[in-house]
Formats: sequence, structure tokens, C-alpha cells
Amino acid sequence: ETGVTQSPTHLIKTRGQQVTLRCSSQSGHNTVSWYQQALGQGPQFIFQYYREEENGRGNFPPRFSGLQFPNYSSELNVNALELDDSALYLCASSLSRTGNTEAFFGQGTRLTVV
Amino acid sequence: AQSVSQHNHHVILSEAASLELGCNYSYGGTVNLFWYVQYPGQHLQLLLKYFSGDPLVKGIKGFEAEFIKSKFSFNLRKPSVQWSDTAEYFCAVSNAGNNRKLIWGLGTSLAVNP
Repeated sequence: ETGVTQSPTHLIKTRGQQVTLRCSSQSGHNTVSWYQQALGQGPQFIFQYYREEENGRGNFPPRFSGLQFPNYSSELNVNALELDDSALYLCASSLSRTGNTEAFFGQGTRLTVV
Repeated sequence: AQSVSQHNHHVILSEAASLELGCNYSYGGTVNLFWYVQYPGQHLQLLLKYFSGDPLVKGIKGFEAEFIKSKFSFNLRKPSVQWSDTAEYFCAVSNAGNNRKLIWGLGTSLAVNP
């Protein structure tokens, strides 16, 4: 167990809908990163949040957005879902956005878009 | 642009065989290097990491990796694998001192036959 929890574990959405995924970071961690892992691929960086502000973004369109709350938990929102958004979405928390720290991952949310 | 290349996509071994999984990265600056493992149905777990110092890094469960800077490589090794090592293995790299994002390889699926 890493102390990082994600919800829901699985969900199915229809193309065009919107979805919100949630992540509770490990105690004491102020940095949360989100990754998308398509089947047979390595995770791809979506964005990172540090103390409630976005701190870097990967090559994902603006319909992927996020939030971080004062307790450092986080949400990933995806609007106008497309079939290619079907993937495992991973949340990782770390102690700091800088320095040599490791990321701890949750079990992920498996999103299927039909 | 940063990239990570894992040479083997699928590896099948018998128990007690030796394992070496290749990982090369492309990045001009100083890096942090990681190997993560994902057992079936479980979250990503850190096997080992390199930040600085001794280029031979020992991790959990008898795994080790060697950072060879001149070759931009960080290969994972284990002298004798067990059935329980069956999993997906990912190599990842980040910018040293600023873990804004991890860049991942595609992963290597290891199957160990009893």
C-alpha cells in the first residue's frame, strides 16, 4: 500500500460526456501528478499540481484539466470524452516538486469510453 | 526531447535464470533514474532509484541496476528470478532536482515459468 487512493476504480462513459477522477495523496505529500497509461504503453504525463497550482503540463489538450485542494487531494477532469481517452489514469504523490524524491502511485482508475 | 527506450517488450524465463532488462534514455542534462514494477492487478511500485553517487544501485527483492552515464543506460538485473517476479517492468527518467514529470519507457512484460 502506498497511501495514495484513487476513485472510482473503474467506470464507463459515453463519447462526449465529462468525467471526474479523484485522488487522495499520501499523508504529508504536497505534490500530485497525473498520468495516462494506454494499453500496452508506458504512462504519459498529463500534469502536476503543487500546493493547489498547476506546475507543469504534458501534451494533452485543454479538455484535460485538474484541481488540487488545500488538503492536497486532487481531481482530474476530462471534457468531451473521446474513444482514445480510454486508458488507466494514474495519480502519483510526492513529497516535493523539486529535489530528489520518488513518486508513490495509486492503483489507478480504468476509464472506458464507448 | 527526453525519451526512454526499453529494449525488450516481452521476456520469458524459467525460474532461477538470470535477468537483464535494458533501458536507455535520451536527455542532455542530469537525470534521476527509476525502475518501477507493476504486478498483476496492483499499483506501480518502486524497485530502485538512482539520484547520485554509486552507479550500482540495489533495490528491493534482489534487484539491482547499473547507471552507465557514457552509454545513457540504466539496465535492471537480477541473478536468479522467481515465479513471483512475473510482472510488468518500467524504466523512467526525470530531470534531476525537479521531478516535474517522469518520462517512461513502454515497459517489459516478464513471465517466469515455474
